[in-house]
Amino acid sequence: KAGVTQTPRYLIKTRGQQVTLSCSPISGHRSVSWYQQTPGQGLQFLFEYFSETQRNKGNFPGRFSGRQFSNSRSEMNVSTLELGDSALYLCASSPHQPNTEAFFGQGTRLTVV
Amino acid sequence: GESVGLHLPTLSVQEGDNSIINCAYSNSASDYFIWYKQESGKGPQFIIDIRSNMDKRQGQRVTVLLNKTVKHLSLQIAATQPGDSAVYFCAEVNDYKLSFGAGTTVTVRA
Repeated sequence: KAGVTQTPRYLIKTRGQQVTLSCSPISGHRSVSWYQQTPGQGLQFLFEYFSETQRNKGNFPGRFSGRQFSNSRSEMNVSTLELGDSALYLCASSPHQPNTEAFFGQGTRLTVV
Repeated sequence: GESVGLHLPTLSVQEGDNSIINCAYSNSASDYFIWYKQESGKGPQFIIDIRSNMDKRQGQRVTVLLNKTVKHLSLQIAATQPGDSAVYFCAEVNDYKLSFGAGTTVTVRA
């Protein structure tokens, strides 16, 4: 059974650009969550989707957005990139209720220059 | 601020010894907790979970203890091996999100 797949693994973007990250959950999982990991702030919750609906959102500016498709795949978008957006972005999927037995992907390492 | 925290940022353990990693949480309404292990360059790996109606749960070489009275969580690793070297996070689950502590870096000495 394939795990959570995140693409791309690495990205380098310039300030002001926008970026889209993709997450394919484990087959059968309907909940997808996104997290930002930085050395200074640790792991911070961005948002969670369940059956295409955003159930919860963290304390991030509106430049951070996401969506989930009918096949449970999810994307997150960051517009007008800032240097401080450089981080490891992690996606987690859960089988039933959101955030029970959440399994993480390898992450996308975003560097903003 | 963070609702979940670990007592020590680093832990050095002799190979073969038992490791104990501690975590304090502040939200008494939390009903589910998870321990994760994160190795360099990888995403967090699920280790073990526990619900608030339990005070102990055992897995393979790992045991999680939950003390709701003092809002304390611990992860015990038996016979620590070099492959156990990683950063360990506790997380509490509320409102469909995980809140993570800062993490404890475990280093296993040969």
